[in-house]
Amino acid sequence: NAGVTQTPKFQVLKTGQSMTLQCAQDMNHEYMSWYRQDPGMGLRLIHYSVGAGITDQGEVPNGYNVSRSTTEDFPLRLLSAAPSQTSVYFCASSYWTGGYNSPLHFGNGTRLTVT
Amino acid sequence: GDSVTQMEGPVTLSEEAFLTINCTYTATGYPSLFWYVQYPGEGLQLLLKATKADDKGSNKGFEATYRKETTSFHLEKGSVQVSDSAVYFCALRFGNEKLTFGTGTRLTIIP
Repeated sequence: NAGVTQTPKFQVLKTGQSMTLQCAQDMNHEYMSWYRQDPGMGLRLIHYSVGAGITDQGEVPNGYNVSRSTTEDFPLRLLSAAPSQTSVYFCASSYWTGGYNSPLHFGNGTRLTVT
Repeated sequence: GDSVTQMEGPVTLSEEAFLTINCTYTATGYPSLFWYVQYPGEGLQLLLKATKADDKGSNKGFEATYRKETTSFHLEKGSVQVSDSAVYFCALRFGNEKLTFGTGTRLTIIP
């Protein structure tokens, strides 16, 4: 009963490096999303997807790319890391079709530091 | 745009005290309202929800009532425990669109 699994749990990058944050869910959820959590700002939506092959931007998409080739996986890519991307990143998923008002299920987060 | 305003923290209470965390929202229409809880080192978990006016969500001794007149969804618990120490987030959602979160309220309960 894994739920939403995020890897890695911690990561330190230098400015300009690239990396991919992994997210996988085993609940057959159509909807998947990435949030970042910063002190005093709550959680802000980066990108989301309502199914394989479909992605869209959230509130703060700049500097991040996503793809959704399978229902289970939704990786988040940082192409050229900047100190402003230091944050805690959460992946979340839920039902989309036939699941009106279904709650989001969250992973345990990835703490990213960019120096 | 839609927004959620939460009571600023941190909040520190003694065990068995009464808890209220205020939450108000701004939205066009009638969203569903949620409280999520984040324990140290973990992701967010749904605590309770309400989908229409006057609905009361409840779970683990926590309650919140959807008040359309005051656009509020305040979280309450009659007697808090040390294990309730966490960060609490109020959020709104229209259907299965994105969740809009408040900034979170850190709650610490001292024995």
